[in-house]
Amino acid sequence: GQNIDQPTEMTATEGAIVQINCTYQTSGFNGLFWYQQHAGEAPTFLSYNVLDGLEEKGRFSSFLSRSKGYSYLLLKELQMKDSASYLCAVREDYGNNRLAFGKGNQVVVIP
Amino acid sequence: DAGVTQSPTHLIKTRGQHVTLRCSPISGHKSVSWYQQVLGQGPQFIFQYYEKEERGRGNFPDRFSARQFPNYSSELNVNALLLGDSALYLCASSLELAGGHEQYFGPGTRLTVT
Repeated sequence: GQNIDQPTEMTATEGAIVQINCTYQTSGFNGLFWYQQHAGEAPTFLSYNVLDGLEEKGRFSSFLSRSKGYSYLLLKELQMKDSASYLCAVREDYGNNRLAFGKGNQVVVIP
Repeated sequence: DAGVTQSPTHLIKTRGQHVTLRCSPISGHKSVSWYQQVLGQGPQFIFQYYEKEERGRGNFPDRFSARQFPNYSSELNVNALLLGDSALYLCASSLELAGGHEQYFGPGTRLTVT
């Protein structure tokens, strides 16, 4: 079975920093992905972690702790266009690309 | 380069009917996966195909079937539609079967069953 948990919604101010957490319990683990999804649009890839530690990519950083079943996505210098749902997804098996998604965290950026 | 394309973009069907959704992956991508996303939820895995073979199936009834063609495009078929099948159906393509390759999602097909 799989359980991927994310908080449902948060509001932050333009220019601020926001951290979105994801905890997971899955039968296997072969990587954790973060996707951004604007309303009515397809998810777009943000980051991928398979080893413990921090991966930085411009304004976005993602952290993974496999022993704790925990990841976070850090968004810096928030912009209005960052208002979206942020989806955490775990790949359980090495032999395929099947992703188990959380429900997503809706981030609302206000001026 | 064109991204993942899906057709149709929107579809309205009645209960009991069947539907076929289509997906064309990014050029050179060999793997296609299908996901169902109900409003307010994350996507749920339905199928993965690689080199025309089914390589994974999610927890969906047999009313759901799919196939992949020699040009790597794919179809998702749903028979005997139920109201609960109303959702956004997403297709994702990746270069290979697995191994850290990110998946690129298409815009989705919004299916409404009445």
